[in-house]
Amino acid sequence: GAVVSQHPSRVICKSGTSVKIECRSLDFQATTMFWYRQFPKQSLMLMATSNEGSKATYEQGVEKDKFLINHASLTLSTLTVTSAHPEDSSFYICSGDRVGGYTFGSGTRLTVV
Amino acid sequence: DQQVKQNSPSLSVQEGRISILNCDYTNSMFDYFLWYKKYPAEGPTFLISISSIKDKNEDGRFTVFLNKSAKHLSLHIVPSQPGDSAVYFCAASPVDTDKLIFGTGTRLQVFP
Repeated sequence: GAVVSQHPSRVICKSGTSVKIECRSLDFQATTMFWYRQFPKQSLMLMATSNEGSKATYEQGVEKDKFLINHASLTLSTLTVTSAHPEDSSFYICSGDRVGGYTFGSGTRLTVV
Repeated sequence: DQQVKQNSPSLSVQEGRISILNCDYTNSMFDYFLWYKKYPAEGPTFLISISSIKDKNEDGRFTVFLNKSAKHLSLHIVPSQPGDSAVYFCAASPVDTDKLIFGTGTRLQVFP
């Protein structure tokens, strides 16, 4: 079945540094990749939608200069949290759009200290 | 290898009837299960969860059943309403991790 591999699963970084999260679709081509952030009440907030070869579309309130999304190929999308702050600590998850549904990565727990 | 499977991509139910969405998993290390609901152009919203120490959890019209021996969980919605029409995802979390393993979703349509 379709798999999205997300790495790293857990990362701790110092405030002010940048962290890159990768999502790879292993056996399908993800024309569109969705990036979510999970808040404490467990609802996933859509941050941005990326399409291969074009700029990502960010949801209202999401800083595009802080959360850099690159979707350079049909199998790889990356989210870079730049100049991370403790309030960016959260659970980030991606989802690849494919024929027949969505396939989620397993998530990344980011802790900024 | 998909560890969480939703074998029915779609389900159509009449308003007022029961909707039953199914989910199967393969990893016996999962100890927490969740159901999410997703409308178009929105992120999935948490609905209900269940710990592996329970076999049933109820919240209003939504009930989740867990059968550990069969590695199967189901979400029952009764009575179904047109506003329940959405894509439903089950997700599982292995013990002592933050990982969430999602199923591929089932599109529920509730018609009048």
